[in-house]
Amino acid sequence: SQQGEEDPQALSIQEGENATMNCSYKTSINNLQWYRQNSGRGLVHLILIRSNEREKHSGRLRVTLDTSKKSSSLLITASRAADTASYFCATDGQGAQKLVFGQGTRLTINP
Amino acid sequence: DAGITQSPRHKVTETGTPVTLRCHQTENHRYMYWYRQDPGHGLRLIHYSYGVKDTDKGEVSDGYSVSRSKTEDFLLTLESATSSQTSVYFCAISAILAYEQFFGPGTRLTVL
Repeated sequence: SQQGEEDPQALSIQEGENATMNCSYKTSINNLQWYRQNSGRGLVHLILIRSNEREKHSGRLRVTLDTSKKSSSLLITASRAADTASYFCATDGQGAQKLVFGQGTRLTINP
Repeated sequence: DAGITQSPRHKVTETGTPVTLRCHQTENHRYMYWYRQDPGHGLRLIHYSYGVKDTDKGEVSDGYSVSRSKTEDFLLTLESATSSQTSVYFCAISAILAYEQFFGPGTRLTVL
């Protein structure tokens, strides 16, 4: 069963705008991760946020976690064409070494 | 791709034939994983390994077997391929007790 569910499924914005993607999950977690996948490539780890953290930053990425609502958001600021990719959240609700991935948000940055 | 290779990268086979996919890592990470990625289902765990000769099932393990005789190699075998196993297969690795996974480039398998 899917643990993480991303919303929206697809997002198209203009270059320079901010992009926000959301992830909801069902069971208690120790951490939540975000990955990026460029077309035809493997997933690349972006950021990990632990259950006792509320917000984390990495460059132009900002991740928030609300464990009471079982949800997380990924914000990409000042988007670039190179940010065009699919973004997945992954949770460890079934054990630390068994990540469960959502179906992803397909982000398109228009020049 | 963090020292992970997969072979073959593309394969077309017929229903009923055996298929083996190979994942090779140069990072000496303990944990290795096989996922399949399908439209509408995201990424689903097939099997994983927590050491040489130590493996366990994932969410969608039926019809698949794995073997790990060396730290660096993790093999995924489809004993008798079916059309429902047409998918993109990804191998991933992670260090002991670390959560971040590193993914290989993927293998596109088509079963006719």
